Amino acid sequence: GAGVSQSPRYKVAKRGQDVALRCDPISGHVSLFWYQQALGQGPEFLTYFQNEAQLDKSGLPSDRFFAERPEGSVSTLKIQRTQQEDSAVYLCASSHRGENTEAFFGQGTRLTVV
Amino acid sequence: GNSVTQMEGPVTLSEEAFLTINCTYTATGYPSLFWYVQYPGEGLQLLLKATKADDKGSNKGFEATYRKETTSFHLEKGSVQVSDSAVYFCALRVSDYKLSFGAGTTVTVRA
Repeated sequence: GAGVSQSPRYKVAKRGQDVALRCDPISGHVSLFWYQQALGQGPEFLTYFQNEAQLDKSGLPSDRFFAERPEGSVSTLKIQRTQQEDSAVYLCASSHRGENTEAFFGQGTRLTVV
Repeated sequence: GNSVTQMEGPVTLSEEAFLTINCTYTATGYPSLFWYVQYPGEGLQLLLKATKADDKGSNKGFEATYRKETTSFHLEKGSVQVSDSAVYFCALRVSDYKLSFGAGTTVTVRA
């Protein structure tokens, strides 16, 4: 597709359930980012990939959060044993590498933990 | 660390009014500055950017000037339209990857 695609758009999980969120970046984009956006807040950085290498995971809030991009294209953000505080919109963005490149965002996955 | 502080909303305006959304930043190094917009039901979109001091970014009638002396990047539009109703985020980036966002300002323009 022409843009960054995320699925599912909406996910309701019971507390303690594991979830997997998918991101299809723009074809050819080397850089991929995950952000978490709580209600009424700005996006907060979670993790960054350059191709298949995860270069920065400093924003992941706990070891229940895990992200991968095994072939340098599609990425999955996995949250284990979800908790209510994990409820947020999870945004994926991709870009070419470089200082003046634009990051293109997907529409996000809204996760609600009940 | 890097952080962005922007004017709290919500902001409600009449059509053709002047809009200003204040944004100030703290950064290590020399950041690039951005305004992103999120229209209802849509993803974040880049509105404009500036990569060095005194640069002016502009798009769709919006402008913002990178002011290093006041560490600010205020967003302005001279005459807003109903279609400008959205959430606006100020952001910065140091090095070539992660963005640091402000909390967002909700703008509603009434006909």
